[in-house]
Amino acid sequence: DTGVSQDPRHKITKRGQNVTFRCDPISEHNRLYWYRQTLGQGPEFLTYFQNEAQLEKSRLLSDRFSAERPKGSFSTLEIQRTEQGDSAMYLCASSLGRGPQPQHFGDGTRLSIL
Amino acid sequence: AQTVTQSQPEMSVQEAETVTLSCTYDTSESDYYLFWYKQPPSRQMILVIRQEAYKQQNATENRFSVNFQKAAKSFSLKISDSQLGDAAMYFCAYRSGGLIQGAQKLVFGQGTRLTINP
Repeated sequence: DTGVSQDPRHKITKRGQNVTFRCDPISEHNRLYWYRQTLGQGPEFLTYFQNEAQLEKSRLLSDRFSAERPKGSFSTLEIQRTEQGDSAMYLCASSLGRGPQPQHFGDGTRLSIL
Repeated sequence: AQTVTQSQPEMSVQEAETVTLSCTYDTSESDYYLFWYKQPPSRQMILVIRQEAYKQQNATENRFSVNFQKAAKSFSLKISDSQLGDAAMYFCAYRSGGLIQGAQKLVFGQGTRLTINP
């Protein structure tokens, strides 16, 4: 169990640029989640996958955001035409099955928009 | 929609003493799960303890225990014999137990920053 891995740890970009983050879940976990956390707040749900199917998207996920999980393994989160308000920590989590199985989180990707 | 409220933005405790962090939630569901997560500075979020709503017995994990009051929709975390390594942000989280859309996401509170004084 190597844990949930996220890359990069930090991303600094200019407003208007596109960015892509990657998440590698724990290998046997079939569920993968993306959350966004702003400074001093709790994480907010963005989207979740069961295997390769994206089953839910939050209203927070505007048209500029897209997430994929090809082949049900790693996932990518892309933000197009970044805005100042996109600055946040983007957290990925994974879990196994349903029921009380907890979600295991990665270290996150901190995005800073100049 | 479910909401989670943590009314204590910051708490502090002397090393080796006991501290209780508060959490209340609002839901119309009867089947759900509650969690406490710990997030040390610049480090990943770690599960501390979880509680199934259908269980009357309060969960315990070593020095960590909860006081689950289902009727009052309260879920407090007690940390006994506090240690310096317990310093972190603590988040209370709710997850639906149903199979409806949205049942898998965690709904987090705003967090409580816990400081341990040596």
